[in-house]
Amino acid sequence: KQEVTQIPAALSVPEGENLVLNCSFTDSAIYNLQWFRQDPGKGLTSLLLIQSSQREQTSGRLNASLDKSSGRSTLYIAASQPGDSATYLCAALGDSNYQLIWGAGTKLIIKP
Amino acid sequence: KAGVTQTPRYLIKTRGQQVTLSCSPISGHRSVSWYQQTPGQGLQFLFEYFSETQRNKGNFPGRFSGRQFSNSRSEMNVSTLELGDSALYLCARSWAGGGQETQYFGPGTRLLVL
Repeated sequence: KQEVTQIPAALSVPEGENLVLNCSFTDSAIYNLQWFRQDPGKGLTSLLLIQSSQREQTSGRLNASLDKSSGRSTLYIAASQPGDSATYLCAALGDSNYQLIWGAGTKLIIKP
Repeated sequence: KAGVTQTPRYLIKTRGQQVTLSCSPISGHRSVSWYQQTPGQGLQFLFEYFSETQRNKGNFPGRFSGRQFSNSRSEMNVSTLELGDSALYLCARSWAGGGQETQYFGPGTRLLVL
């Protein structure tokens, strides 16, 4: 059974710092790994989707990597801004049942 | 923009009642997936509908059901509500579905069961 873990549960950093959010999964049989952000009172926003055959994806200041063999993905945020404050969730899509299994999220606070 | 409308946004029900939630994706997106988010269990997949057919189902009891109409609008129904059904219910649209591509989420319906 797939389990997705995100550490740390919460993170507070000063504005301008580069930071890394971690996501680990127990079953390497995934189709893709997805990163989302959730703002209070709002739904989820897709940030990056990495196919199982890919090693990384980039969008603006965000870079996500995937290492299936070790069961890990990281989300790198460069030059953090207060607007990056949100809860970041990762989710792994099983390659047999096609169901997203979600981590509990990392609540990120960027201090001005 | 997400292009997903969920109604109602907030709902209060009592135990034993039933509830119907609605999700309307923008035109052309035939896949609608539903998720439940609670503080204790986090986000969990409920089911996916594609072209009016349930294509995938998560591990939820039969009290949770859904359907999709020809215009891609989807409804989710929960019968015999329990306190533990209090949650944020999210739906997401995508073109082909199956979680294999980017999903666009609505703002959710927050259900409180008293």
